[in-house]
Amino acid sequence: KAGVTQTPRYLIKTRGQQVTLSCSPISGHRSVSWYQQTPGQGLQFLFEYFSETQRNKGNFPGRFSGRQFSNSRSEMNVSTLELGDSALYLCASSLGGLGNQPQHFGDGTRLSIL
Amino acid sequence: AQSVAQPEDQVNVAEGNPLTVKCTYSVSGNPYLFWYVQYPNRGLQFLLKYITGDNLVKGSYGFEAEFNKSQTSFHLKKPSALVSDSALYFCAVRDSSGDAGNMLTFGGGTRLMVKP
Repeated sequence: KAGVTQTPRYLIKTRGQQVTLSCSPISGHRSVSWYQQTPGQGLQFLFEYFSETQRNKGNFPGRFSGRQFSNSRSEMNVSTLELGDSALYLCASSLGGLGNQPQHFGDGTRLSIL
Repeated sequence: AQSVAQPEDQVNVAEGNPLTVKCTYSVSGNPYLFWYVQYPNRGLQFLLKYITGDNLVKGSYGFEAEFNKSQTSFHLKKPSALVSDSALYFCAVRDSSGDAGNMLTFGGGTRLMVKP
């Protein structure tokens, strides 16, 4: 069974640009969550989508948004990029939506802002 | 609110010796607890979870963890460390009450260094 796939693996952008990251969950998984990982702040929850609906959102500005498609694939978008957005963005998928199943992570997209 | 603390930034252990990586948590209701491991330039890999039942949970690669409700702890253990266990370890919690979905709160991570 294929794991969680994130594309692209690496991305370099400049301040003010926008970016879209993609995540394909494990087949059959309906929940997709996004996390930001930085050396200073650690792992922080961005948002979760379940059956195309956003269920929870972390404490991030409105520049961070996402969506989920009917095939459970998900995208996240960051607009008006800032230097502080440089991070590893991780996507995780889970079979259920009750929080008692493990999340399976992709290898992430490393975003660098110049 | 839910929170996790990993009090040690780094744990050093000799190969063949037992290892412990500490984790304490805080939730309003009952916790769902998870341990993940991260190797360089990779995502997080699931090791084990505690949802309910036996306090001692066994997971992948010989790891186990003990849930202690009175001490609100969920320490990760392994009887005999391998050099290949050297990695970054994360503890995570989700409050079983409320509608947090799959939102996990992670600890700051503990770097495990196993020396030959």
